Amino acid sequence: EDQVTQSPEALRLQEGESSSLNCSYTVSGLRGLFWYRQDPGKGPEFLFTLYSAGEEKEKERLKATLTKKESFLHITAPKPEDSATYLCAVQASSNTGKLIFGQGTTLQVKP
Amino acid sequence: DAGITQSPRHKVTETGTPVTLRCHQTENHRYMYWYRQDPGHGLRLIHYSYGVKDTDKGEVSDGYSVSRSKTEDFLLTLESATSSQTSVYFCAISGRGAGANVLTFGAGSRLTVL
Repeated sequence: EDQVTQSPEALRLQEGESSSLNCSYTVSGLRGLFWYRQDPGKGPEFLFTLYSAGEEKEKERLKATLTKKESFLHITAPKPEDSATYLCAVQASSNTGKLIFGQGTTLQVKP
Repeated sequence: DAGITQSPRHKVTETGTPVTLRCHQTENHRYMYWYRQDPGHGLRLIHYSYGVKDTDKGEVSDGYSVSRSKTEDFLLTLESATSSQTSVYFCAISGRGAGANVLTFGAGSRLTVL
């Protein structure tokens, strides 16, 4: 069964304190791994897609990496505006467009 | 949420009543999805559509039905709402199917069943 597990569930950081979020997955043939950001009361917003182990993508203070079993979202010198819930999802090669989501990590960055 | 709108955004109803949520897109995308989001469960797929009148079940489809008579509209119906269906419902669209694709989400519809 395809499954995605994110850790930690919640993370509190001081502004400027770098850290990483983890996404572990089991899937029958990975077609893509996705990271989304979700602000309270809004829909998830796309951040990155990773396709194969060893791939990395960056956007401002965020960097996503991928191995055969997990993905990390590294946050460098975070700011309060980075506070949000970060969702990880996988698409299996056997499923047409469907994404399986993890439960998310809620990040709070204090000034 | 450009290109995708959900209605209503908020609804309170009573157990046993029918409820229909609407998702409307202006992107002409082929694929449309309904997810529900609950604390402790994350986003779970209810139903999805890969074309007009072409739909399939997701992992939590019991108690829900969908219809897609036009490319732009995807309706989610709760025939007889129950308290366990209290949730936030998100519609998503995608232009690609078999390949790794990016889903664009609507703003969500918060449903409370009393």
